[in-house]
Amino acid sequence: NAGVMQNPRHLVRRRGQEARLRCSPMKGHSHVYWYRQLPEEGLKFMVYLQKENIIDESGMPKERFSAEFPKEGPSILRIQQVVRGDSAAYFCASSPRALRNTEAFFGQGTRLTVV
Amino acid sequence: KQEVTQIPAALSVPEGENLVLNCSFTDSAIYNLQWFRQDPGKGLTSLLLIQSSQREQTSGRLNASLDKSSGRSTLYIAASQPGDSATYLCAVPTGGGADGLTFGKGTHLIIQP
Repeated sequence: NAGVMQNPRHLVRRRGQEARLRCSPMKGHSHVYWYRQLPEEGLKFMVYLQKENIIDESGMPKERFSAEFPKEGPSILRIQQVVRGDSAAYFCASSPRALRNTEAFFGQGTRLTVV
Repeated sequence: KQEVTQIPAALSVPEGENLVLNCSFTDSAIYNLQWFRQDPGKGLTSLLLIQSSQREQTSGRLNASLDKSSGRSTLYIAASQPGDSATYLCAVPTGGGADGLTFGKGTHLIIQP
């Protein structure tokens, strides 16, 4: 059973471009979470999705950021018109059930650098 | 709003020592607490999950305890090895209707050979 797979591992974008980050959850997991880790900061929750539904996006900036988890295929975190402040490591986690009942498994992350 | 604090922020000890990492959380109404390890430039590896009904959880040289009423958890590492060097993070479900995790900033651990 492969773990949570994220790609790309590293992404460089110029200011104003779009960044698309992909996450394939562990097999059998229908709950996906995205987190952002800024240098010297802790991990901050961004968004929680179940298949085709956004359950909680309270941690995601309202502009330029969007997330989806389609019926088929990976979850996508999309950042439009990137700015230098978007440079961070973005981690995806998955779980088979809600986190109150189970543990979360994390991917290796995508390190976004905006130049 | 749930807040998680980890003390110390950094720790450097000689190989072979036993050590304790601390985690505290402000809202004791948690379902569980999870300890992770993060190596530089890598993702998070789950170490231990303690349910709110449990007091302890053990995995090899690691032992995690949970005192829910006082809002504290400790991670005990026995007979530390250089390979244990990493950042250790604790996290609790955010609660209040949100279903993500709230993380501490971690303890950066260095085990000197």
